[in-house]
Amino acid sequence: EVKLVESGGGLVQPGRSLKLSCAASGFSFNDYWMGWVRQAPGKGLEWIGEINQDSSTINYTPSLKDKFTISRDNAQNTLYLQMSKLGSEDTAIYYCAREAAVSYYFDYWGQGVMVTVSS
Amino acid sequence: DVQMTQSPSYLAASPGESVSISCKASKSISNNLAWYQEKPGKANKLLIHSGSTLQSGTPSRFSGSGSGTDFTLTIRSLEFEDFAVYYCQQYNEYPFTFGSGTKLEIK
Repeated sequence: EVKLVESGGGLVQPGRSLKLSCAASGFSFNDYWMGWVRQAPGKGLEWIGEINQDSSTINYTPSLKDKFTISRDNAQNTLYLQMSKLGSEDTAIYYCAREAAVSYYFDYWGQGVMVTVSS
Repeated sequence: DVQMTQSPSYLAASPGESVSISCKASKSISNNLAWYQEKPGKANKLLIHSGSTLQSGTPSRFSGSGSGTDFTLTIRSLEFEDFAVYYCQQYNEYPFTFGSGTKLEIK
């Protein structure tokens, strides 16, 4: 069974950094592109970015490219999202998701982790 | 960025009825469109990809159609478990973008 479990969320002060993790199991992690999506309270889904199997290709939505860094550790079956210079607009549920083997849509999602940016 | 305009935002229907949700792209995305279902307390679920291909496990009452800029998700004979929020997503051009969502409620 494919399982994606996010962690590392919580309350963080404006301007600070936070690193989210996504533990993957039930599939061969190093065979898949992985991605992050977020959802602000009461809003829709926003695609953050994706990383390929060997971390040689990472794509971001332009507005977040300078603040967020996606990485992965295939030995640990873990995906990461490093977030810096956080502002209230970054308050959201953050989801990790697996991209399908043959395309770029997400075939499995985690349940998400909440990040609240507030003083 | 490719803008995805999803409508309606809210839809009320009764079990047994059929409904359709529209998703329009601001430029052609070929058939690179997926539909997802969001339910409280559950991971988002991929329903359809490539515009009209049902993901394994998606009930046959769900169908997707369209290509280019206009797409539709249709649910026939609604069941209680179908009342949820639905999103479309284009994955034809970076950055990939989602529609704003359609909340399907019980009438």
